[in-house]
Amino acid sequence: DAGITQSPRHKVTETGTPVTLRCHQTENHRYMYWYRQDPGHGLRLIHYSYGVKDTDKGEVSDGYSVSRSKTEDFLLTLESATSSQTSVYFCAISGWGQGLYEQYFGPGTRLTVT
Amino acid sequence: SQQGEEDPQALSIQEGENATMNCSYKTSINNLQWYRQNSGRGLVHLILIRSNEREKHSGRLRVTLDTSKKSSSLLITASRAADTASYFCATGSNFGNEKLTFGTGTRLTIIP
Repeated sequence: DAGITQSPRHKVTETGTPVTLRCHQTENHRYMYWYRQDPGHGLRLIHYSYGVKDTDKGEVSDGYSVSRSKTEDFLLTLESATSSQTSVYFCAISGWGQGLYEQYFGPGTRLTVT
Repeated sequence: SQQGEEDPQALSIQEGENATMNCSYKTSINNLQWYRQNSGRGLVHLILIRSNEREKHSGRLRVTLDTSKKSSSLLITASRAADTASYFCATGSNFGNEKLTFGTGTRLTIIP
């Protein structure tokens, strides 16, 4: 999986609790992304980062925050989890190759909010 | 909103046959990519085609791009059981192609 790990791989949490998911890469790629995958919706971008401390919102950013204090780590935080945030979360990375961005994905984190 | 829409949503074929899936998109693109996802796994990049290219090959994969129709197709020849997976197209826009917009995917099942 191109040197990308996600932790935890599975998590069950209760509504209203904070949750942090971690993505770690060993590829030294500049760009990191958080997606969620839900049936019928494909992958939707939550937030992405284009460098240390540089982040931007994606299509479905409400209820999520991110931080990137080191090149290799990108954290996704659900401040107060809701049942609608039950999903599979994928981290991805990309670098610069001929001006184009192929993305490499982690194994995913399955989050259930009860 | 999704940029890419794959068609069909699901496809079942016999092993050895060719599989074709299509992707349509709405806005101008810089490049279009195809990814495969095996059940319970992350996506794997298959092939990338630039907006000024019309066709590209990689092994048993053939991708075409028609920017006038805003559509792409992925052909997998001589299918194998291991090709069973979901396939997604993703587009990079001209205004920041570091971000991709993914379609909803085609579920391909190869029957042994």
